[in-house]
Amino acid sequence: QKEVEQDPGPLSVPEGAIVSLNCTYSNSAFQYFMWYRQYSRKGPELLMYTYSSGNKEDGRFTAQVDKSSKYISLFIRDSQPSDSATYLCAMWGGSNYKLTFGKGTLLTVNP
Amino acid sequence: DAGITQSPRHKVTETGTPVTLRCHQTENHRYMYWYRQDPGHGLRLIHYSYGVKDTDKGEVSDGYSVSRSKTEDFLLTLESATSSQTSVYFCAISDPGQNTGELFFGEGSRLTVL
Repeated sequence: QKEVEQDPGPLSVPEGAIVSLNCTYSNSAFQYFMWYRQYSRKGPELLMYTYSSGNKEDGRFTAQVDKSSKYISLFIRDSQPSDSATYLCAMWGGSNYKLTFGKGTLLTVNP
Repeated sequence: DAGITQSPRHKVTETGTPVTLRCHQTENHRYMYWYRQDPGHGLRLIHYSYGVKDTDKGEVSDGYSVSRSKTEDFLLTLESATSSQTSVYFCAISDPGQNTGELFFGEGSRLTVL
């Protein structure tokens, strides 16, 4: 079992839809959870960052962590065509400065 | 935007030739990383550096070497390029003082080995 599993999609939704992106993980040492967004032919950039369990909201984006289930989610409300990108989850155990990434989910929001 | 510059941004080369990719940062971050990104595999760590002349292997280091003689520069070398090394290569940096694990990425270098 890989440390981090992420459905690669692709996921295609109409504009205005609520999008749910998910990752599961197996390493209990992970404490820090991130979502990166990567536009086509660009480098990944940090979108959301959470520590421990719970929800964190930033505008139309909500990151959710359930450490008991080893499951993290990113919700996008009122999705826009500009949200079309690959979304990668990433996790860090706090000790070796190496992030563990999911493979990424390609999202397309259609006007 | 984090000050990370990768060069060259695009390169086409032939099998068996040496290739060097350069990453230059202006953030004075201690940690630097080289990743490759391929369809179906996501981002995979090749090598990383935790200080000048201090480097270590990642999960896909075979066929690659790195050097870091200055804080701001991290070089990735393919001694004898193979077609399996056709990929997009990303440099990243991090500041351990932040204690968050966050990486800042460059724009990528697209390498094609014919």
